[in-house]
Amino acid sequence: DSGVTQTPKHLITATGQRVTLRCSPRSGDLSVYWYQQSLDQGLQFLIQYYNGEERAKGNILERFSAQQFPDLHSELNLSSLELGDSALYFCASSVAGAGQFSGNTIYFGEGSWLTVV
Amino acid sequence: AQRVTQPEKLLSVFKGAPVELKCNYSYSGSPELFWYVQYSRQRLQLLLRHISRESIKGFTADLNKGETSFHLKKPFAQEEDSAMYYCALMDMGRRALTFGSGTRLQVQP
Repeated sequence: DSGVTQTPKHLITATGQRVTLRCSPRSGDLSVYWYQQSLDQGLQFLIQYYNGEERAKGNILERFSAQQFPDLHSELNLSSLELGDSALYFCASSVAGAGQFSGNTIYFGEGSWLTVV
Repeated sequence: AQRVTQPEKLLSVFKGAPVELKCNYSYSGSPELFWYVQYSRQRLQLLLRHISRESIKGFTADLNKGETSFHLKKPFAQEEDSAMYYCALMDMGRRALTFGSGTRLQVQP
């Protein structure tokens, strides 16, 4: 158990809908990352938050957004869903922002399986 | 731009055989490299990182800056090693891990 908790574990929804994925980082971790894992794209970095502020953006679509709350949990909002959004969405956390010091390790949650039908 | 390349999608070996999972990177700065393992679409688990120079489950990896490689090795493969292995580079600028495309290791009995 990495200590990173994600809900829901599985989600099936229809095209055009909106879903919210939730992540609780490890105790003491200030940084939260979101990754998308799909069969054709592999692991793609979406976005990172550190202590409530957006720190880095990757290949995140405009239909997607995220935030980190004062209690440090994070939510990833996916809207106007398309079939191609079906993927495993991972949340990860670390003590500091990646690169802030050498040896900063990023731990992953078990992921949320999203199926868009 | 940084890039992590894992040239093999699938590596199949027999139990007891040596394993080498290849990883090459391109990065302008001083890299921090990691290997993650994923069993059956479960969460990614940190296997090892180059700064620790540790051996986990018999796996080792040495950073070769001259060849820009960070290959993962194990002298004797076990069936329970069958999984997806991802090499990752920590990008200090973008503050995120960049992953390779992964290599599936199949260890046959």
